[in-house]
Amino acid sequence: EAQVTQNPRYLITVTGKKLTVTCSQNMNHEYMSWYRQDPGLGLRQIYYSMNVEVTDKGDVPEGYKVSRKEKRNFPLILESPSPNQTSLYFCASSLVRENQPQHFGDGTRLSIL
Amino acid sequence: RKEVEQDPGPFNVPEGATVAFNCTYSNSASQSFFWYRQDCRKEPKLLMSVYSSGNEDGRFTAQLNRASQYISLLIRDSKLSDSATYLCVVNNREYGNKLVFGAGTILRVKS
Repeated sequence: EAQVTQNPRYLITVTGKKLTVTCSQNMNHEYMSWYRQDPGLGLRQIYYSMNVEVTDKGDVPEGYKVSRKEKRNFPLILESPSPNQTSLYFCASSLVRENQPQHFGDGTRLSIL
Repeated sequence: RKEVEQDPGPFNVPEGATVAFNCTYSNSASQSFFWYRQDCRKEPKLLMSVYSSGNEDGRFTAQLNRASQYISLLIRDSKLSDSATYLCVVNNREYGNKLVFGAGTILRVKS
């Protein structure tokens, strides 16, 4: 089954404790992206990747890191999480062609205390 | 001004009603357009792409007006299961495959 898999689905942690949210897709998509969704603000892009070893900042990259060592994986790293990073996070992937929609993972709900 | 603007609603409609959502976008370089549906606390799912000539998928009709930078979604014969948030999404390939999301329009269909 074609899918985007995120882990963990839920995480409660404390300020400053490094964490990684994994994202994996099995559709051989070149493009992968991370979004955060906050009430009233909609989905905002954090980072994206056009292909292996190619990453770029989205609209709200501060406090986040990503890597794309393999085509299927695109982990999101919070080196020193802070309470303002409490949010619902989505990973998405797509082919890099016009009119290609993005497929989303189930989401990760992070709470930073 | 937000790059993609939608009326947040909520739109409260009875079953069987026809409801229309509108969306405007500010970047004239936008090239692809979509409507996504998002249920509470779930991931966004593609409802339909929007083409210049307009397109229909069952009870759903999407239209695009590039001159006015305006997208619409019409839902006919609303069902209870249509209750969700509808996200207007535009893609500007100038920034890779970046999607820009509207904040969403809430639809509640009641019996």
